[in-house]
Amino acid sequence: NFMLTQPHSVSESPGKTVTISCTRSSGSIASNYVQWYQQRPGSSPTTVIYEDNQRPSGVPDRFSGSIDSSSNSASLTISGLKTEDEADYYCQSYDSSNWVFGGGTKLTVL
Amino acid sequence: EVQLVESGGGLVQPGGSLRLSCAASGFTVSSNYMSWVRQAPGKGLEWVSVIYSGGSTYYADSVKGRFTISRDNSKNTLYLQMNSLRAEDTAVYYCARVVSSYYGMDVWGQGTTVTVSS
Repeated sequence: NFMLTQPHSVSESPGKTVTISCTRSSGSIASNYVQWYQQRPGSSPTTVIYEDNQRPSGVPDRFSGSIDSSSNSASLTISGLKTEDEADYYCQSYDSSNWVFGGGTKLTVL
Repeated sequence: EVQLVESGGGLVQPGGSLRLSCAASGFTVSSNYMSWVRQAPGKGLEWVSVIYSGGSTYYADSVKGRFTISRDNSKNTLYLQMNSLRAEDTAVYYCARVVSSYYGMDVWGQGTTVTVSS
């Protein structure tokens, strides 16, 4: 089984851009799609990116996703930060009937 | 409206059992991959189990042999039978629909809280 490693926390000011990384420990990041979920306190997770870089309807285009095979990692980038973006973000991928979540990154918008 | 509603959580002693339910509306459970994901207090998300539309089931190593995922097609409901519960099973348990084309979760329930304590 592989692991997905995320930074524990990131912070940035409103209007700025932040990128959260998600590094796969073994196997290729490109071998299975990566999803990103947003979880606000007391709420269930919601999808902000699926299939590496696709946005569900209703998610603003300030949210974008990418993968980088050279670093074996995925990234979630949020531009034009708003205070409402403050939340925990989790990456997730899959391999052989095993779902893996990253440890989560707490985004603070201050 | 597509919706998942969990129930069945509560306080249970170590070694005890509990059955969680997840009632679906707006779609058919048996036609989809369905999963349970848990979140311990102050911790991240942890995948627990999945049942495929064909009926195959898989579990995280941490619950294998103790938890059983199942579904009742007539009730359009997903279940998680949890036996031999441990303190480390204390968490909010979410059911989620899994999209088979990319193996991500697209619909989540509101969660039900399981506390294992004496």
